[in-house]
Amino acid sequence: DTEVTQTPKHLVMGMTNKKSLKCEQHMGHRAMYWYKQKAKKPPELMFVYSYEKLSINESVPSRFSPECPNSSLLNLHLHALQPEDSALYLCASRPQGNGEETQYFGPGTRLLVL
Amino acid sequence: TQLLEQSPQFLSIQEGENLTVYCNSSSVFSSLQWYRQEPGEGPVLLVTVVTGGEVKKLKRLTFQFGDARKDSSLHITAAQPGDTGLYLCAGAGKDDSWGKLQFGAGTQVVVTP
Repeated sequence: DTEVTQTPKHLVMGMTNKKSLKCEQHMGHRAMYWYKQKAKKPPELMFVYSYEKLSINESVPSRFSPECPNSSLLNLHLHALQPEDSALYLCASRPQGNGEETQYFGPGTRLLVL
Repeated sequence: TQLLEQSPQFLSIQEGENLTVYCNSSSVFSSLQWYRQEPGEGPVLLVTVVTGGEVKKLKRLTFQFGDARKDSSLHITAAQPGDTGLYLCAGAGKDDSWGKLQFGAGTQVVVTP
């Protein structure tokens, strides 16, 4: 089983709204990632969590706030977003510590900021 | 930063034709993944190559990893409309413990009946 799930599938929000994106995996992976992807472009890394600790923040604006409540869950809290933040947000996970480097992606959340 | 150059950017072919996508870098990768992505969906893993010179086959898809682990190719034989999608290569750096992937720019493949 190499499944990463993400909810919601689609999200429309205003610039003053607060919303959260959720990601879940039950593969025992200890590294989890948030990416942002614009149309016809490759994914851009936002955050990396390793063993539930934030390991990398790629200079992402503070209106994006990640959270890792446990080893299976990853959230991305959104507040006061801008229209240019509209994109496909992808979660990925990877085994950690055994040399396996493959990342498995979820289906994504398509976000539209009005 | 390890740059991964992917070519071509766009390929439009007829059903039954063959195609090849290339990913090249001046840096060595410890592994390289190929993904296919459809609009509005997440990238789906096709293969991971790890060993220099490795060749992997997945039905009509053949993947090669260069001897020096700096380049890779994806060859599709007798393409079908279901092969349409954005193909992404992504390399994992040798010395990166966080597993950060360097993505190629992607190749949009369109296979028409």
